[in-house]
Amino acid sequence: DAGVIQSPRHEVTEMGQEVTLRCKPISGHDYLFWYRQTMMRGLELLIYFNNNVPIDDSGMPEDRFSAKMPNASFSTLKIQPSEPRDSAVYFCASSLVLGRAFFGQGTRLTVV
Amino acid sequence: TQLLEQSPQFLSIQEGENLTVYCNSSSVFSSLQWYRQEPGEGPVLLVTVVTGGEVKKLKRLTFQFGDARKDSSLHITAAQPGDTGLYLCAGGTSGTYKYIFGTGTRLKVLA
Repeated sequence: DAGVIQSPRHEVTEMGQEVTLRCKPISGHDYLFWYRQTMMRGLELLIYFNNNVPIDDSGMPEDRFSAKMPNASFSTLKIQPSEPRDSAVYFCASSLVLGRAFFGQGTRLTVV
Repeated sequence: TQLLEQSPQFLSIQEGENLTVYCNSSSVFSSLQWYRQEPGEGPVLLVTVVTGGEVKKLKRLTFQFGDARKDSSLHITAAQPGDTGLYLCAGGTSGTYKYIFGTGTRLKVLA
């Protein structure tokens, strides 16, 4: 299996622009998680889905952030409009069983 | 708010030395995980402990869950340069897939 695949690996965008991060979970995994990692705040859970349905989005920082999972093999995290403080590494992870999450390589987002 | 504090934050040691990393919280967790993250990669799960007092070993790594399930430790024997990385603990709550990650310990093992 190829593992969790995220794209792009790096994204540099100007403040105010829309940013879309993409994730393909491991086939057969029915849980998908979006995390954000920064030096100041560490690794934070933003939202997670079960069978394509959002279960807990309490970690989503603001209305500028939205996440969708239109089918079992694809999810997006969108930031609109982006701000410099959104700069971070965004990770997607998927899981089949409780507590066994596999992480992607992350997308490093820089908003200038 | 559940918080997991890790100590030390940074650790630089020579190859062959032993070390212990701590993960502490005022909250009780149903399970505790340890991950290692290398630069440019996502965290990789090393172990999950679920019972208070539980000890698990993974080659030179020994993991322990505190009796009260509020803290955990990771001990590495005879550290090697390949152990270099960011070590993260994560606490899980029963009935949810939500894990809270600790502040991290950045380990560097010098050859």
